[in-house]
Amino acid sequence: DAGVIQSPRHEVTEMGQEVTLRCKPISGHNSLFWYRQTMMRGLELLIYFNNNVPIDDSGMPEDRFSAKMPNASFSTLKIQPSEPRDSAVYFCASRGQGAGGLFFGSGTQLSVL
Amino acid sequence: AQRVTQPEKLLSVFKGAPVELKCNYSYSGSPELFWYVQYSRQRLQLLLRHISRESIKGFTADLNKGETSFHLKKPFAQEEDSAMYYCAVGGTSYGKLTFGQGTILTVHP
Repeated sequence: DAGVIQSPRHEVTEMGQEVTLRCKPISGHNSLFWYRQTMMRGLELLIYFNNNVPIDDSGMPEDRFSAKMPNASFSTLKIQPSEPRDSAVYFCASRGQGAGGLFFGSGTQLSVL
Repeated sequence: AQRVTQPEKLLSVFKGAPVELKCNYSYSGSPELFWYVQYSRQRLQLLLRHISRESIKGFTADLNKGETSFHLKKPFAQEEDSAMYYCAVGGTSYGKLTFGQGTILTVHP
């Protein structure tokens, strides 16, 4: 298995533009998580899904953020409109049943100018 | 609510010295505890989980339920151990983990 795959690796955009981050979890994993990493706040959980259903989105900072998981092998995190303070590394992670912990993707480095 | 505290943002040691990264948690129930490591510009990787009581790359961590701590230790630090280390706690059936703020470990030659 190639692990959790995220795209793009880097995204540079201008304030006000729409940004879409993509994630493919490990096959067979039934939970998917979106985290944001910044120097100031560390790793923040934004939203997570179980069996494609959103369980808790209380970490989503504003209505500008939305996430979907249309099927077991794909999820998106969208920011519309983007702002400079959204600049961060966004990680996707997945987990299967049992005590294996989370498996992370390589992250998307987002820069909003 | 579950919470993880890593009191040290930065930790510097010399090669060959012992190192301890502190982690305290709050959780009601039986928690799962993990240590993750993130090398420069790479993804987070699972280093240790308390349930397996294993030693990875010379690191160990003991769960102390009385003190609600899960400190990470290594008797002789190596330069390649320089990285960001995150402690995490979880336990819901959905596998959600809450992470600490992280500790940046620098091992000097």
